[in-house]
Amino acid sequence: DGGITQSPKYLFRKEGQNVTLSCEQNLNHDAMYWYRQDPGQGLRLIYYSQIVNDFQKGDIAEGYSVSREKKESFPLTVTSAQKNPTAFYLCASSIDRAGVGAKNIQYFGAGTRLSVL
Amino acid sequence: RKEVEQDPGPFNVPEGATVAFNCTYSNSASQSFFWYRQDCRKEPKLLMSVYSSGNEDGRFTAQLNRASQYISLLIRDSKLSDSATYLCVVKSFQKLVFGTGTRLLVSP
Repeated sequence: DGGITQSPKYLFRKEGQNVTLSCEQNLNHDAMYWYRQDPGQGLRLIYYSQIVNDFQKGDIAEGYSVSREKKESFPLTVTSAQKNPTAFYLCASSIDRAGVGAKNIQYFGAGTRLSVL
Repeated sequence: RKEVEQDPGPFNVPEGATVAFNCTYSNSASQSFFWYRQDCRKEPKLLMSVYSSGNEDGRFTAQLNRASQYISLLIRDSKLSDSATYLCVVKSFQKLVFGTGTRLLVSP
């Protein structure tokens, strides 16, 4: 089955700890994205990547880091510098980022819920 | 002003009712428009793209008014399974901007 897989589904972070959220896609999409969703708020873009070995900061990149060593994988690390990490994290992919119409459609993974212990 | 604005609702309607949501956007150069559906504690899923001429998919009709910068979604003959949050999404400055969503509750 083609799709986007995020793991784990639930994650707990201790004070001062870095944690990494996994995102894998087998849709052969070039572009991948990380969003954060808080209650009552829209999705906010953390980082995005249009091509392997390249990524750009989104609107709320502080306290996060990413890598894109393979087309299929775009892991997100929530560092200890992120003081309010509790949220629902969503990974998405699209055919490409610069396109219009159908190429803009983003498909989402099932998400990871991160909480602080 | 937010780039994409939606009435958060909730809209409470009985089964079989027709309900409409509107969404406004601030960037007049926006190029692509979508409605996504998000169930409680789940990921957003594409409901439909919105085209300038308007488009229909079964019970769902989407309209775009570029002059007034708003998008609408009409749901006819509401089903219990339509209960969800509907996200308005606009491509603005090379990125997708998500509205906060409108919550729909369909009751028996």
